[in-house]
Amino acid sequence: GENVEQHPSTLSVQEGDSAVIKCTYSDSASNYFPWYKQELGKRPQLIIDIRSNVGEKKDQRIAVTLNKTAKHFSLHITETQPEDSAVYFCAASSVDDYKLSFGAGTTVTVRA
Amino acid sequence: DAGVTQSPTHLIKTRGQQVTLRCSPKSGHDTVSWYQQALGQGPQFIFQYYEEEERQRGNFPDRFSGHQFPNYSSELNVNALLLGDSALYLCASSLQGVGQYFGPGTRLTVT
Repeated sequence: GENVEQHPSTLSVQEGDSAVIKCTYSDSASNYFPWYKQELGKRPQLIIDIRSNVGEKKDQRIAVTLNKTAKHFSLHITETQPEDSAVYFCAASSVDDYKLSFGAGTTVTVRA
Repeated sequence: DAGVTQSPTHLIKTRGQQVTLRCSPKSGHDTVSWYQQALGQGPQFIFQYYEEEERQRGNFPDRFSGHQFPNYSSELNVNALLLGDSALYLCASSLQGVGQYFGPGTRLTVT
């Protein structure tokens, strides 16, 4: 089955700086890669996703890049704000394997 | 337009008991997936229901079972509860499995 590894496990950044979270996956059949943000005591919230036919996708301050050859994808948050503090999860799935396999999560703290 | 809803919010059960958790998908969605999230970990896939049938299952024992109703809502049943079943149970809905949106979860505590 799919195995997703996520790094780092914790990340502390100064407000206004950028944050980068990296994930690797094992199954070459995976072709859908969503990112979720989970604030304490709340549901995981889908913030951006990318499919394997696209190398990069942006949405305001958030961007995701995908390297299919190396089997890794990354989340980039620019101009971080205190409200970006949360746990971020990467995940992977394929068209024929509908389950999402999640990484272990990255706790992001934005220092004011 | 209501998002994904789950009930109950919290639940406390004793070892050996049985529990039923409920999920209503987002309007327009036809697929419901269930995940278990232990404290400090990522969600783990339990199973997915589509067209009232279990389409795929993760590495969970048969004590975990489910059901999907004609209106696409779903139930998760866990029998013979163990202490290790204590977790946040998340339901996610989607259209045919793609783009999963999570509900608020049910916090299950087994004592």
